[in-house]
Amino acid sequence: SAVISQKPSRDICQRGTSLTIQCQVDSQVTMMFWYRQQPGQSLTLIATANQGSEATYESGFVIDKFPISRPNLTFSTLTVSNMSPEDSSIYLCSARGQGTGYTEAFFGQGTRLTVV
Amino acid sequence: GNSVTQMEGPVTLSEEAFLTINCTYTATGYPSLFWYVQYPGEGLQLLLKATKADDKGSNKGFEATYRKETTSFHLEKGSVQVSDSAVYFCALSDPQAAGNKLTFGGGTRVLVKP
Repeated sequence: SAVISQKPSRDICQRGTSLTIQCQVDSQVTMMFWYRQQPGQSLTLIATANQGSEATYESGFVIDKFPISRPNLTFSTLTVSNMSPEDSSIYLCSARGQGTGYTEAFFGQGTRLTVV
Repeated sequence: GNSVTQMEGPVTLSEEAFLTINCTYTATGYPSLFWYVQYPGEGLQLLLKATKADDKGSNKGFEATYRKETTSFHLEKGSVQVSDSAVYFCALSDPQAAGNKLTFGGGTRVLVKP
């Protein structure tokens, strides 16, 4: 199993500003992901964080808005840039290990973001 | 493409009642199937999983059986407690698909009343 520490746990931000969310995993993992969960909704995958290279973004998400870094196997950051109230959501970091296709994903506690 | 469909909530039950949450899937390959639970204000926790047909996953009194013939993975618990109030997500992972991403259902909110 893996324990994922995510911070901050919540924040209230002014529109037009940026917030960087950090995700630390306690063991080396193969893949890391970032999700958005809007109130009362399911999870939407933003991107796969690739170690040492550009993240792979899902349709509807772009690097300029959600820049992602993954400098090593256990750490990643997601920045929400130029925020608007529509960015108010829970952002979740996730990680999967070896034999990825058959194994479960682990999740951080989430960052609850409110943009005012 | 892959997809997961689960029953919409909210599901409201009395304590000690029987819970069933239906989940069906479509996948191009032979997926692994998961149930996750999200308690209020928290992230997702794995509840149980099954990696091949006829496997039964179980944990904390919850069970789900991987039914390939009906492409289903229904979650059941015989006697729920107030502490089971949460949102439950069915998910699949297709090892044949690029990116090894999880595909989630829409989630089912369960409220157990004393």
